[in-house]
Amino acid sequence: KNEVEQSPQNLTAQEGEFITINCSYSVGISALHWLQQHPGGGIVSLFMLSSGKKKHGRLIATINIQEKHSSLHITASHPRDSAVYICAVPITQGGSEKLVFGKGTKLTVNP
Amino acid sequence: KAGVTQTPRYLIKTRGQQVTLSCSPISGHRSVSWYQQTPGQGLQFLFEYFSETQRNKGNFPGRFSGRQFSNSRSEMNVSTLELGDSALYLCASSLPRANTEAFFGQGTRLTVV
Repeated sequence: KNEVEQSPQNLTAQEGEFITINCSYSVGISALHWLQQHPGGGIVSLFMLSSGKKKHGRLIATINIQEKHSSLHITASHPRDSAVYICAVPITQGGSEKLVFGKGTKLTVNP
Repeated sequence: KAGVTQTPRYLIKTRGQQVTLSCSPISGHRSVSWYQQTPGQGLQFLFEYFSETQRNKGNFPGRFSGRQFSNSRSEMNVSTLELGDSALYLCASSLPRANTEAFFGQGTRLTVV
């Protein structure tokens, strides 16, 4: 079983819809990252959160440490939100941290 | 502030060759991590360098190696390339402490033919 599981794997929405992407993890963590990857490969860090909720514009991320679950929400989705969204958790190994990633959720927002 | 810069962006090599990829971190960031991304395996951790020392290594064969220079720039090398090494290689830089944001480069897309 992967340490980080994301759902759904693929998501297609119409412009304006509310989007939810889920991430569950099996290890104890102190923070969780949400990343965005556009075609072409570059990855952008959206959020790093360790409790509660964070909001940037139309993006909202929540985390429940006890339930080992996080969600990424996009309100009023737009075609430019089309990308792969990846959650990642830091795991301590050998005295330093490494990121372990979910498989990603490919979001397509149609106009 | 300039972002993380990876060179080259694209590379085509033949089986058996070796390749060197470069990563220049954000100024002031001394921790550099490397990741491999393939359609089948997703993103996987390769190794992390801090102050010219490898602090952490993923589960990859010894053909994969890296180093970091005194200016924090990092290189990774893959020797005796195999078709399965075709992937997007990403590096990320961060401050060298726990729970800190990682900043990713655009990646180097390596194709082995």
